[in-house]
Amino acid sequence: AQTVTQSQPEMSVQEAETVTLSCTYDTSENNYYLFWYKQPPSRQMILVIRQEAYKQQNATENRFSVNFQKAAKSFSLKISDSQLGDTAMYFCAFMKPKTSYDKVIFGPGTSLSVIP
Amino acid sequence: DAGVTQSPTHLIKTRGQQVTLRCSPKSGHDTVSWYQQALGQGPQFIFQYYEEEERQRGNFPDRFSGHQFPNYSSELNVNALLLGDSALYLCASGPGLAREQYFGPGTRLTVT
Repeated sequence: AQTVTQSQPEMSVQEAETVTLSCTYDTSENNYYLFWYKQPPSRQMILVIRQEAYKQQNATENRFSVNFQKAAKSFSLKISDSQLGDTAMYFCAFMKPKTSYDKVIFGPGTSLSVIP
Repeated sequence: DAGVTQSPTHLIKTRGQQVTLRCSPKSGHDTVSWYQQALGQGPQFIFQYYEEEERQRGNFPDRFSGHQFPNYSSELNVNALLLGDSALYLCASGPGLAREQYFGPGTRLTVT
């Protein structure tokens, strides 16, 4: 069974600075997808970034980038130029796309606070 | 283009009652999944529907059941409610061989 671990329950960062959120996962699969989801206090779960395991290049979406280390089963999220609107719960998630019938497995989350 | 919608937004029920939550997937999506998110935790997978059939199920008792309609919308039913069923219930949809799932705003269920 796949598991996702986030070892940082809470983090804070000064506005405009950079912060990195950690995530590790466990799987015996070779092909899969990894995600970072953001859940603001308004509770809408929003996809931040997606990484396909067969791609060696790290995904980037504007201020958000990942460091994907497949051998180490590590998938960290870097947020550059942090903004107040980045304050939210961040969930690392795993999906095995063997068929269309696959669930997303979430980590426990990291609560990020951006301090003005 | 409307995203995933869920109703109602909030719901208060009494222990032992039954509840039905509803979800309309994003346009073009045919797979619907339901998740339970307890306060301060990550979402936990309940089940997934595709072509009106339950395709996968997480570790939830039979009190949790669902349905998918021909228009791909879905319902989550919970019978004999327990206090521990209080949570945010999230619906997510995806297109076929989905690379990701898009989430709705959730329904906050409180069981008293």
